[in-house]
Amino acid sequence: DADVTQTPRNRITKTGKRIMLECSQTKGHDRMYWYRQDPGLGLRLIYYSFDVKDINKGEISDGYSVSRQAQAKFSLSLESAIPNQTALYFCATSAGEGAYEQYFGPGTRLTVT
Amino acid sequence: RKEVEQDPGPFNVPEGATVAFNCTYSNSASQSFFWYRQDCRKEPKLLMSVYSSGNEDGRFTAQLNRASQYISLLIRDSKLSDSATYLCVPRSGGSYIPTFGRGTSLIVHP
Repeated sequence: DADVTQTPRNRITKTGKRIMLECSQTKGHDRMYWYRQDPGLGLRLIYYSFDVKDINKGEISDGYSVSRQAQAKFSLSLESAIPNQTALYFCATSAGEGAYEQYFGPGTRLTVT
Repeated sequence: RKEVEQDPGPFNVPEGATVAFNCTYSNSASQSFFWYRQDCRKEPKLLMSVYSSGNEDGRFTAQLNRASQYISLLIRDSKLSDSATYLCVPRSGGSYIPTFGRGTSLIVHP
């Protein structure tokens, strides 16, 4: 089984709808991240969490919110989806101090029409 | 200046060729580096970690030039399967937040 899983893998939704993307990990890592990737723009950080009680905004947090339900779970919500949120979304984890390599989920392809 | 800059390419090389590309970074406090490989529409995967002046893993060699603030990735004997985008990520400090560049696209052709 994959260490970092994301659901759904693909989603098409309409403008104005609320949508939640979920991420789960079995690596036992404290740190979790949400990124979006658009063609030609690389990975941009939306939110990150260093432990269950820690939530931080990344460079493009507007229009998004997150919830860290447990060490293993980190969810990303789009409160009212808009077409320019169409992108590939990745969740990632890392262990933290002394081990900063990130491990990514397979991604969620989101289309907002 | 952006924290991480990479030539987006694409670098188009024949099988068996040696290819190298650089990643420049702006934070002189960067202590170590990661190279990730990303196949089209797939998740990035760690290729190599660099904690000192460089690292070598099979056909892949990373070399760090702290004076000029860049790190290079050299791929020898390129394979078709090496075709991907290569992402460089510098690390600094304990509360470091990974910052990705746009990556460098490599296409290896027969």
